Amino acid sequence: NAGVMQNPRHLVRRRGQEARLRCSPMKGHSHVYWYRQLPEEGLKFMVYLQKENIIDESGMPKERFSAEFPKEGPSILRIQQVVRGDSAAYFCASSPEQGALYGYTFGSGTRLTVV
Amino acid sequence: AQSVTQPDIHITVSEGASLELRCNYSYGATPYLFWYVQSPGQGLQLLLKYFSGDTLVQGIKGFEAEFKRSQSSFNLRKPSVHWSDAAEYFCAAAMDSNYQLIWGAGTKLIIKP
Repeated sequence: NAGVMQNPRHLVRRRGQEARLRCSPMKGHSHVYWYRQLPEEGLKFMVYLQKENIIDESGMPKERFSAEFPKEGPSILRIQQVVRGDSAAYFCASSPEQGALYGYTFGSGTRLTVV
Repeated sequence: AQSVTQPDIHITVSEGASLELRCNYSYGATPYLFWYVQSPGQGLQLLLKYFSGDTLVQGIKGFEAEFKRSQSSFNLRKPSVHWSDAAEYFCAAAMDSNYQLIWGAGTKLIIKP
């Protein structure tokens, strides 16, 4: 039973390009959460999605960032027109039901570097 | 404001020595509490969690944590560390939201041979 799969593991983008980060949840998990980890900081919540629905995007910057979790396929976090400040590790977690009570399984993260 | 604080950025202990990593939270009620470990370049692995009941919680890899309501603390302990325990440890809490975790800044554990 594969865990949460994130790809790519490392992504380098020039300023102004688009970054697409993918997350395939654990089998049987329909709840996906994205977190961002800036250097020397803890994780910050970005967005919570269920299949085809954004439940809570309160932690996501209003501009340039978007997320989706389609009926088929992985969840995608998209960052348009990246800037240096977007350089961070982006982690995805999944759970079988809503809430940390059920236990999150985290992926290994995507480390985005904007040059 | 709701927050999780890990006051120690780095901790160095000798292999075989005991370990305690501190975590304090700021919240008007008892949150759900978690400890995660992150090895270099890896994802986060759940060590243990506390929701209610017995305030001493056992986790994986020989770790335990004790919830103390009076001190708003959830400190992580291990009686004897191994070199493989070198990693970064994060305390997290679910407060008003049952799914949105609030994280401490992490404590890097260094093991001396």
